[in-house]
Amino acid sequence: DTGVSQNPRHKITKRGQNVTFRCDPISEHNRLYWYRQTLGQGPEFLTYFQNEAQLEKSRLLSDRFSAERPKGSFSTLEIQRTEQGDSAMYLCASSKGPGTEAFFGQGTRLTVV
Amino acid sequence: QKEVEQDPGPLSVPEGAIVSLNCTYSNSAFQYFMWYRQYSRKGPELLMYTYSSGNKEDGRFTAQVDKSSKYISLFIRDSQPSDSATYLCAMNRDDKIIFGKGTRLHILP
Repeated sequence: DTGVSQNPRHKITKRGQNVTFRCDPISEHNRLYWYRQTLGQGPEFLTYFQNEAQLEKSRLLSDRFSAERPKGSFSTLEIQRTEQGDSAMYLCASSKGPGTEAFFGQGTRLTVV
Repeated sequence: QKEVEQDPGPLSVPEGAIVSLNCTYSNSAFQYFMWYRQYSRKGPELLMYTYSSGNKEDGRFTAQVDKSSKYISLFIRDSQPSDSATYLCAMNRDDKIIFGKGTRLHILP
């Protein structure tokens, strides 16, 4: 296992369409995070999981966003009815547990046209 | 006041110089501190992780934490053009990780 894997790397979609991103964490990492990053900004927290339990959601995560982590392994982030403001890099990270090093994937770059 | 403050730069220094990058934070509950390096259009790469006040060294990198002042630093010795990137400070308690905006660093050959 070489690290956190995110797919797809790039996604271009039309406004109003739904998109889903996948994150495969490092094996045996119990904690998984989702972040969003726009140009010139640091990553902004969206949500995180401890195993399959979603422990916290940011106010940034509107009703159009949903994240799941079935069986505590991979995770998906779905955006419904995409808007141009959703264009960003979506980053996933994983760690062994609370207070441990978190490692990021290469991100999924979303462009909404 | 934002929880984590970081000067966005850009910071330009000549090759071989010592680079100093800094962040301040407001939440005294933060216990764990990290520095990430991010190249353009790539994911952040973990450089340093510390959980106590003091210094931690790894090769050309030294991370410094001063919890009493709520101030953390990253020093890069013998800077190289390949160090040109955005450097993100990050910190957490036992839950989410909070990031600074990142400092863009340019090492001039």
